[in-house]
Amino acid sequence: AQSVAQPEDQVNVAEGNPLTVKCTYSVSGNPYLFWYVQYPNRGLQFLLKYITGDNLVKGSYGFEAEFNKSQTSFHLKKPSALVSDSALYFCAVRAISGATNKLIFGTGTLLAVQP
Amino acid sequence: DTGVSQNPRHKITKRGQNVTFRCDPISEHNRLYWYRQTLGQGPEFLTYFQNEAQLEKSRLLSDRFSAERPKGSFSTLEIQRTEQGDSAMYLCASAFSGNTIYFGEGSWLTVV
Repeated sequence: AQSVAQPEDQVNVAEGNPLTVKCTYSVSGNPYLFWYVQYPNRGLQFLLKYITGDNLVKGSYGFEAEFNKSQTSFHLKKPSALVSDSALYFCAVRAISGATNKLIFGTGTLLAVQP
Repeated sequence: DTGVSQNPRHKITKRGQNVTFRCDPISEHNRLYWYRQTLGQGPEFLTYFQNEAQLEKSRLLSDRFSAERPKGSFSTLEIQRTEQGDSAMYLCASAFSGNTIYFGEGSWLTVV
């Protein structure tokens, strides 16, 4: 069964420093991987996805993610963190069962950027 | 605004009452999903529609839960005889075929 793991409940980083939010995956076949962000009391906003092609995927708000097949990882990164990046980040993998095409989410990582 | 729209955004109900949430997907999106999210957890899949057909229901969706998508447009999620354990945020999402899935702002349910 497809799954993702986010090993860190919280990541703390100072404003201006680079940030990394970790995600590892377990899938059968080629992985389709996603990152979403959730601000307090809001829904999920799509950041970026990896389907195929370049291992470095660029997304919204200056975020990027690196797909590493040998390490089964898809870490989210940003070169310079902003206080406004503070939010809950979810990694997800596409799961196909029968006629259903859905996302399976990790437990989330809270990113706290200190000014 | 052409995003996924959910109503109501917040609902407080007494245990045992019925509640209904509505979701209006992005126009022309043929796929519609319902997820549930509790505090400190990631969204959990509840059910999936392709056009008007409900193709999958999670085991999380007990017989007190029912979802419909008449005419393949908007969808409703009804919870009958609510229990305190039903308190959560209910997220609706839509997609066009195999493309990116977009989420609404969610509907918060508090059962007292």
